[in-house]
Amino acid sequence: DAKTTQPTSMDCAEGRAANLPCNHSTISGNEYVYWYRQIHSQGPQYIIHGLKNNETNEMASLIITEDRKSSTLILPHATLRDTAVYYCIVPPNYGGSQGNLIFGKGTKLSVKP
Amino acid sequence: DTGVSQNPRHKITKRGQNVTFRCDPISEHNRLYWYRQTLGQGPEFLTYFQNEAQLEKSRLLSDRFSAERPKGSFSTLEIQRTEQGDSAMYLCASSLAGRGNFGPGTRLTVT
Repeated sequence: DAKTTQPTSMDCAEGRAANLPCNHSTISGNEYVYWYRQIHSQGPQYIIHGLKNNETNEMASLIITEDRKSSTLILPHATLRDTAVYYCIVPPNYGGSQGNLIFGKGTKLSVKP
Repeated sequence: DTGVSQNPRHKITKRGQNVTFRCDPISEHNRLYWYRQTLGQGPEFLTYFQNEAQLEKSRLLSDRFSAERPKGSFSTLEIQRTEQGDSAMYLCASSLAGRGNFGPGTRLTVT
């Protein structure tokens, strides 16, 4: 499994962009990068995923470096409700079949007024 | 899309009792996963099903834990002879391909 490394915690001012980094230096060519978040006492929520191109949806943007060894999740205008633990996950790929999501400890993002 | 549902949402049991949790996945999803989460930790993968076949169960925490998915629809997770260390949130997720959709979890407290 490609291991991921994330900072333990980060702060962000409300209304500013939150940039959450993730290192995944052992990622294989066919493995995707997934981001989930977990708000206190709720189940994890899917945010976004990508392979090599940058991705954007209504929740966030995902920037993957050209060598794919790291990525950044961007919340363009953080709100207090974005306070959560953010998980960067690289599930293994077994011949085209994606393996399971293995969670680390994630980054605790605190959005402050 | 009604999402993944889990029942019960909370369960308090005495040590030594058996408990069973149910997960109803999103209807067209063929994969179903069980995770356990303790305080301050990320979700820990336990087992998963593709349709009714249990494809990975080596990470089940002990032989007291078992899961079933009859007919490839809902799934149950049973813990026999519960111990205080089993107190945790038990999460279920389902997927068709790629992204998983998680349920709200069942919080188990063993007294």
